[in-house]
Amino acid sequence: NAGVTQTPKFQVLKTGQSMTLQCAQDMNHNSMYWYRQDPGMGLRLIYYSASEGTTDKGEVPNGYNVSRLNKREFSLRLESAAPSQTSVYFCASSDLGLAATRETQYFGPGTRLLVL
Amino acid sequence: QKEVEQNSGPLSVPEGAIASLNCTYSDRGSQSFFWYRQYSGKSPELIMFIYSNGDKEDGRFTAQLNKASQYVSLLIRDSQPSDSATYLCAVNREGKTGGSYIPTFGRGTSLIVHP
Repeated sequence: NAGVTQTPKFQVLKTGQSMTLQCAQDMNHNSMYWYRQDPGMGLRLIYYSASEGTTDKGEVPNGYNVSRLNKREFSLRLESAAPSQTSVYFCASSDLGLAATRETQYFGPGTRLLVL
Repeated sequence: QKEVEQNSGPLSVPEGAIASLNCTYSDRGSQSFFWYRQYSGKSPELIMFIYSNGDKEDGRFTAQLNKASQYVSLLIRDSQPSDSATYLCAVNREGKTGGSYIPTFGRGTSLIVHP
């Protein structure tokens, strides 16, 4: 099992360009998440999808859109990239078990994005 | 005030010592608490979780939870240079969609274990 995979690993964009970050998991997890991590800021939730067909905003959703394509895939789109979106982006997944408050997350390797 | 607070460090301890990492949270309704380890340039990985007041031990790691004080800590005994990493505290809260639980992360504490 590959776990959680992300593509690309690294990307450089110019201001105003668009791109889509891809994420896929092979653990049959229900929930998927997109985070950004900036120096000294920890992980901040951008969007999440509790189950296939649902998405909700997290802490920092402005400038981003998401698509839960199917149970395996959850993509993050930057429509018009800005330098403030320079960050490391992590995708994560988790399973809603019987004790739903106890779900833990499995993270992908991250995408390093530089917006010039 | 951020919902989950951690001292950014760095916390420097000698090899073999006990490292103590602390985390406070603001939401009294929080039910689940997690510690993730993140090596530089890598993704976070779960090392401990705790749901009930008291201590939970797993090898060299002990998580401590005090819900009345809204405080969770991680102790690392016999610290090794390989423990040098950033430790992220996460607290689960109920999400907008029914049945979803969303972790809120602290900013992380950098731990340095020197030989």
